[in-house]
Amino acid sequence: AQTVTQSQPEMSVQEAETVTLSCTYDTSESDYYLFWYKQPPSRQMILVIRQEAYKQQNATENRFSVNFQKAAKSFSLKISDSQLGDAAMYFCAYRSAGSNDYKLSFGAGTTVTVRA
Amino acid sequence: GAGVSQTPSNKVTEKGKYVELRCDPISGHTALYWYRQSLGQGPEFLIYFQGTGAADDSGLPNDRFFAVRPEGSVSTLKIQRTERGDSAVYLCASSSGLAGGEQYFGPGTRLTVT
Repeated sequence: AQTVTQSQPEMSVQEAETVTLSCTYDTSESDYYLFWYKQPPSRQMILVIRQEAYKQQNATENRFSVNFQKAAKSFSLKISDSQLGDAAMYFCAYRSAGSNDYKLSFGAGTTVTVRA
Repeated sequence: GAGVSQTPSNKVTEKGKYVELRCDPISGHTALYWYRQSLGQGPEFLIYFQGTGAADDSGLPNDRFFAVRPEGSVSTLKIQRTERGDSAVYLCASSSGLAGGEQYFGPGTRLTVT
């Protein structure tokens, strides 16, 4: 199974500032997907952004962007102009692009606190 | 419904009892997944259905855990002889089943074994 590592248990950011969450992963595959999910206290996992490994361009979704470094097996998430609603636990996840391997492998998560 | 639903939202049971957790996927989604999330951890894969059959059950921890999806829609996760270590949030997700299809998660069932 692939290993996903999030080395920051907690991060704090001032409202309107920028925070970057780190994620590294271990795989021998060349084609795969990477995701960042947000989990607020309601427990509902919400997809924030996804990256396909064969695409060199970093994905962007409004205030959320990633820095995907395939050779380094690194996939960080940048939250710009942080808002109070961004406070949640964030999980990095990996999924193989193999035809019968759709399960997600998650990291341990990073709790993001936004200070008003 | 519009999203994945799970019932019950919370379940408290005594050690040794049998429990069933239900998942209603998004209509038309052929793929369904169960994950277990222990306190302060990321979700861990349990089992994946494509249609009615279990395509991958490699994440089930032991033979006390079993899941079914008899008509290719609703799924039930069954846990026999519950142990305190089974306490966790059980998440269900569904997807279109196509390569690259996004997994949509339900709100989970929090299971507490006393």
